[in-house]
Amino acid sequence: DQQVKQNSPSLSVQEGRISILNCDYTNSMFDYFLWYKKYPAEGPTFLISISSIKDKNEDGRFTVFLNKSAKHLSLHIVPSQPGDSAVYFCAANTGGGNKLTFGTGTQLKVEL
Amino acid sequence: GAGVSQSPSNKVTEKGKDVELRCDPISGHTALYWYRQSLGQGLEFLIYFQGNSAPDKSGLPSDRFSAERTGGSVSTLTIQRTQQEDSAVYLCASSPSGSRGQETQYFGPGTRLLVL
Repeated sequence: DQQVKQNSPSLSVQEGRISILNCDYTNSMFDYFLWYKKYPAEGPTFLISISSIKDKNEDGRFTVFLNKSAKHLSLHIVPSQPGDSAVYFCAANTGGGNKLTFGTGTQLKVEL
Repeated sequence: GAGVSQSPSNKVTEKGKDVELRCDPISGHTALYWYRQSLGQGLEFLIYFQGNSAPDKSGLPSDRFSAERTGGSVSTLTIQRTQQEDSAVYLCASSPSGSRGQETQYFGPGTRLLVL
């Protein structure tokens, strides 16, 4: 049972444009959401998070939007840079719980 | 150290052998987690430690898998009688306290295990 889904396995964007990565979840108990970036042969690197009491969180070029009614979140990267090319994982956990439930990832390629 | 470290970085073993994977969390972090990522899959939770205790072992796939943590720091994940389906990247993460759900977990580089 895939509780966190990233339906796009890959995304290609031109440098300078916006990248939008999407994530859907089914467990209404999730109340904390995170995005991680992963380069080949490295561990995931924390990027940005959002609590369920918010609908938007921004950090530099990265913004995460949460739509609780739709059980959907998205990560916006503006402007996209070649160094952003990586696999992006969406993750979630429940209040008081500690294990993260991950999506299967989206491979982002930012082209020159 | 500055971040989570894991060893070995790569391990090739024969089916039926036992393997031990090691994790050194960020200094001072009391919570430690093991995940694994099989080819083409997302990260799958295995076990969570709070100090030396493991309140959540729900992700361990079989009794061939075990883990321990000593001194509230280093953790070892042991896989006995390895099978080919155990081939994956095993990732360790730590977080400051683990006592609150909304806490960021920081990952190590992983151990790539290949069972022949």
